[in-house]
Amino acid sequence: EAQVTQNPRYLITVTGKKLTVTCSQNMNHEYMSWYRQDPGLGLRQIYYSMNVEVTDKGDVPEGYKVSRKEKRNFPLILESPSPNQTSLYFCASSLSQQSAGNNQPQHFGDGTRLSIL
Amino acid sequence: AQSVTQLDSQVPVFEEAPVELRCNYSSSVSVYLFWYVQYPNQGLQLLLKYLSGSTLVKGINGFEAEFNKSQTSFHLRKPSVHISDTAEYFCAVSAKAAGNKLTFGGGTRVLVKP
Repeated sequence: EAQVTQNPRYLITVTGKKLTVTCSQNMNHEYMSWYRQDPGLGLRQIYYSMNVEVTDKGDVPEGYKVSRKEKRNFPLILESPSPNQTSLYFCASSLSQQSAGNNQPQHFGDGTRLSIL
Repeated sequence: AQSVTQLDSQVPVFEEAPVELRCNYSSSVSVYLFWYVQYPNQGLQLLLKYLSGSTLVKGINGFEAEFNKSQTSFHLRKPSVHISDTAEYFCAVSAKAAGNKLTFGGGTRVLVKP
């Protein structure tokens, strides 16, 4: 089954304690992205990756890091979490923008709810 | 840069009644347009998309949307809703030259009442 898998689904932690949210896709997609969802603001892009070893900032990258060492995995790292990073996070993937001349719809994971105390 | 405005944050509607969710966007370049649905405790699922061609787009679960270039709108409609349509709906745009980056609206929460 084609899917995007995020772990953990829920996490409560404290300010300053480094954490990593993993994301894995089994569709051989080149493009992967992280979003955060906050009430009334919709989803905002944090970072994205066009392919292995190619990452770039989205609209709200401050306080986050990512890596793309393998095609299937795109972890989100919070080196020193703060309460304003309490949010619902989504990982998404899609085929490369260069395929088929069409914009390929993104497949989303089920989300990770982070609470930073 | 693009921006998306969903004019209603919440829409209560009775079962079997029609519903329209409004979406307006702004962009200096041509865009692709999307509607996603988020059921409770789940990720986003694509309802429909407009890439080019006919301005009336049909999606899954009986939803349709109409692209209006002059009004920069992409409103979503369903003629008769079910309880199972209770969810949050997001309108999104992607600039044709910007690849896969999606810009989302703030979402509209639809509550279908029996």
